[in-house]
Amino acid sequence: AQTVTQSQPEMSVQEAETVTLSCTYDTSESDYYLFWYKQPPSRQMILVIRQEAYKQQNATENRFSVNFQKAAKSFSLKISDSQLGDAAMYFCAYRSRFTSGTYKYIFGTGTRLKVLA
Amino acid sequence: EAGVAQSPRYKIIEKRQSVAFWCNPISGHATLYWYQQILGQGPKLLIQFQNNGVVDDSQLPKDRFSAERLKGVDSTLKIQPAKLEDSAVYLCASSLGLVGEQYFGPGTRLTVT
Repeated sequence: AQTVTQSQPEMSVQEAETVTLSCTYDTSESDYYLFWYKQPPSRQMILVIRQEAYKQQNATENRFSVNFQKAAKSFSLKISDSQLGDAAMYFCAYRSRFTSGTYKYIFGTGTRLKVLA
Repeated sequence: EAGVAQSPRYKIIEKRQSVAFWCNPISGHATLYWYQQILGQGPKLLIQFQNNGVVDDSQLPKDRFSAERLKGVDSTLKIQPAKLEDSAVYLCASSLGLVGEQYFGPGTRLTVT
C-alpha cells in the first residue's frame, strides 16, 4: 500500500529566507503524481505544485520548487524568499496515474509552516 | 468563476444522530471527491465520483456513511448514525476530469458530542 510521510510537524522560517519541507513516500508503482498543497488557517486548500514521476526535471512555480528523488522516494518542497502569506499547513500528496486502473489520493499528515517577521 | 461550495460550514450533533453535507462543484467539473480530515491528520479520500458514477469508495465506512451524486452535479454525504470518531472536517473537491487539478471547498466542520 502506498504511504506518504511528512516527518516535520512544524517548521519556522524568517521572512525572506528559504525553507525546505520534507516528504517521503512508498509505492511499488512506477508512474504516479506527487503534489504539494497549502492550507492556510480557516481557508481552502490550494495546489502549490505538482510533479509527474516520469519527468526527471524538478517542477518549479515562482518561489516554489521541488527536489524529486525518485529512487529515494523523496519529494521535498523549497520555498524561497518566504513571505508572511506562506504561513499555512503544507500537505504532500500522492496519486497513482490513470493507467494504473485505480485512483488513490494519499495525503501526508502535514507540516505547519510559521513565517517570522 | 465560482469555487466549490459546501454547506453547512459547521455542524454539532449528538452521537447516534444523522447528518448530511452538501457540495456543489465548480461548473463543468466531472470529478468530485469527498475527504475526511481529522484534526492533526491529512485528508483521507472517502469517495470519488466521475459524473454520477463511483470511481473509488474503498475507504468509505459503508455501514454508516453514504454518498450520492444524482445528475452528476451536486453531491450529498450522509452519516447515519454518527459516532464520536466522526468529528472532523469534511472536504469536497472537484476537478475537470480524472487527471485534472483538484479545487477544494471550504469544508464542513462536524463535531459529534
